[in-house]
Amino acid sequence: KQEVTQIPAALSVPEGENLVLNCSFTDSAIYNLQWFRQDPGKGLTSLLLIQSSQREQTSGRLNASLDKSSGRSTLYIAASQPGDSATYLCATSGTYKYIFGTGTRLKVLA
Amino acid sequence: DVKVTQSSRYLVKRTGEKVFLECVQDMDHENMFWYRQDPGLGLRLIYFSYDVKMKEKGDIPEGYSVSREKKERFSLILESASTNQTSMYLCASSLVIPNYGYTFGSGTRLTVV
Repeated sequence: KQEVTQIPAALSVPEGENLVLNCSFTDSAIYNLQWFRQDPGKGLTSLLLIQSSQREQTSGRLNASLDKSSGRSTLYIAASQPGDSATYLCATSGTYKYIFGTGTRLKVLA
Repeated sequence: DVKVTQSSRYLVKRTGEKVFLECVQDMDHENMFWYRQDPGLGLRLIYFSYDVKMKEKGDIPEGYSVSREKKERFSLILESASTNQTSMYLCASSLVIPNYGYTFGSGTRLTVV
């Protein structure tokens, strides 16, 4: 049974820092891995989707990598800004149903 | 862009009421999902549907039912609302094999008093 873990649960950094969020999963037979952002009281917004055949995806200051053999994905945020403060969740699937991590709550201090 | 629309952002209902939460997607996705999200518990799957009139129980179906009469619409029904169903409810959709990932709605914050 797939399990998804995100460490750390919370992170506080000063503005301008580069940071890495981690996501690990137990079953490497996945279709893809998706990173989401969630602002308080809002729904989930998709940030990046990495197909199982891909190693990474980039969008602006965000870069997500995928290493299926080790069961890990990282989300790299360059030059963090206060507007990046949110909860970041990863999710992955072996069939058609996603399993979500519990998220990393990020606070970027001005 | 795929859009998933949840009909209400905030709802306040009384204990014992029958509550309908509506979700509509506009990209012909086969799969639709209802989750609830609570602090410290993450996202928990209530029900999902992979086709019209088809439904499968998720991890916490008790106290809920669903309806999918049309491909684009997936309704979550609380037969008799209780205070422990106060939560954020999130709807999502995907293709039958989620190569393009999930798309979520903006959520419905339900308070049962």
